[in-house]
Amino acid sequence: HLQLQESGPGLVKPSETLSLTCTVSGGSISSSSYYWGWIRQPPGKGLEWIGSIYHSGSTFYNPSLKSRVTISVDTSKNQFSLKLSSVTAADMAVYYCARESLWLCSGGSCYSDYWGQGTLVTVSS
Amino acid sequence: IVLTQSPGTLSLSPGERATLSCRASQSVSSSYLAWYQQKPGQAPRLLIYGASSRATGIPDRFSGSGSGTDFTLNISRLEPEDFAVYYCQKYGSSLTFGGGTKVEIK
Repeated sequence: HLQLQESGPGLVKPSETLSLTCTVSGGSISSSSYYWGWIRQPPGKGLEWIGSIYHSGSTFYNPSLKSRVTISVDTSKNQFSLKLSSVTAADMAVYYCARESLWLCSGGSCYSDYWGQGTLVTVSS
Repeated sequence: IVLTQSPGTLSLSPGERATLSCRASQSVSSSYLAWYQQKPGQAPRLLIYGASSRATGIPDRFSGSGSGTDFTLNISRLEPEDFAVYYCQKYGSSLTFGGGTKVEIK
């Protein structure tokens, strides 16, 4: 049974870098059938895709966040990570990691069939 | 591509049929359109991908249809657990979500 779990600081100061890790259990992050992605949701608002990564390290980013985002993968630990630099109050959100299925999908992003429970990141000094 | 969902809120009773709309500002290639359900405090749950394919374990009262710029999610008979927020998503060369439709108990 696949599980994804986000971890990282729940509080980040303005202008600093937000760092989160997603640990995948019950499946291999090295599978050729999936991307691994990050999605966020500000409190009371809708969903925003941040970006995704393939086990090879190929990345795909939301153009609106691309200049501040880095997603990386550590296949030895079955983890992938998100870094978002120069955060502001607008970056306060629940951050989800998710598995994106490549079944009947091609391109830089696919639908998410498994999600982590999400972690709230607050931006405040 | 911008996805516009309507209505913003749908007030219905259990047993009724729900019809949710998702309109894209440009044609969605290869029907790369998905639908998700989200309940308060929970992560979204995949319902439909490829515009009309049900995800694993999704009851057949949920059905998706459409192509091009107009897509629809139908819930044939609302169960108490179906009252939630629903999002459409376009994926592929770029990925965006619609603003959501809340299905609430009338």
